[in-house]
Amino acid sequence: NAGVTQTPKFQVLKTGQSMTLQCAQDMNHNSMYWYRQDPGMGLRLIYYSASEGTTDKGEVPNGYNVSRLNKREFSLRLESAAPSQTSVYFCASSEALVTEAFFGQGTRLTVV
Amino acid sequence: GNSVTQMEGPVTLSEEAFLTINCTYTATGYPSLFWYVQYPGEGLQLLLKATKADDKGSNKGFEATYRKETTSFHLEKGSVQVSDSAVYFCALMRGGSTLGRLYFGRGTQLTVWP
Repeated sequence: NAGVTQTPKFQVLKTGQSMTLQCAQDMNHNSMYWYRQDPGMGLRLIYYSASEGTTDKGEVPNGYNVSRLNKREFSLRLESAAPSQTSVYFCASSEALVTEAFFGQGTRLTVV
Repeated sequence: GNSVTQMEGPVTLSEEAFLTINCTYTATGYPSLFWYVQYPGEGLQLLLKATKADDKGSNKGFEATYRKETTSFHLEKGSVQVSDSAVYFCALMRGGSTLGRLYFGRGTQLTVWP
């Protein structure tokens, strides 16, 4: 079982460049999430999608956009990367908003 | 607002020692409480949870009791193993307009030596 798969695992960007982080789940889950993890801080929610066709902002949405491409896939886009976006990004999914979230292995992004 | 405070690490223990990682929360109403574990190089995994006051969550020898009166959800294990070395995150989830959102503590690094 693959679970939640994120690509890429590592990425280095220059300030101002754009990129899209990909996430796919094979558990037929309805809800998907993007979190970021910074040193000395817990994970913070960037955006989430309660179900296919819907997206909502989390705690720290500025500088990001998301697309719920279909039930399986939920992408996170950085239009103009900034050093403050250097972080580890985790995608997660759950059957519903109230149920257990399953996390991917993370994408380590460095913006120089 | 919603927040979680957990004891700072790192925590270093010898194998078979007793473990406590403190966690307290701030939230209105009755949030659900969680402990997640992150092993090196991996994503987070749910370790245990409790959804109402006085509930005890347990898994793999770990336990935590939801204490409404002290707004706490401390993680305990009677005898740790080297394989328990990981980062542990306490988290909460409320209902209503924030349903589905997990609010995490900073994480506590645990290292167990043989």
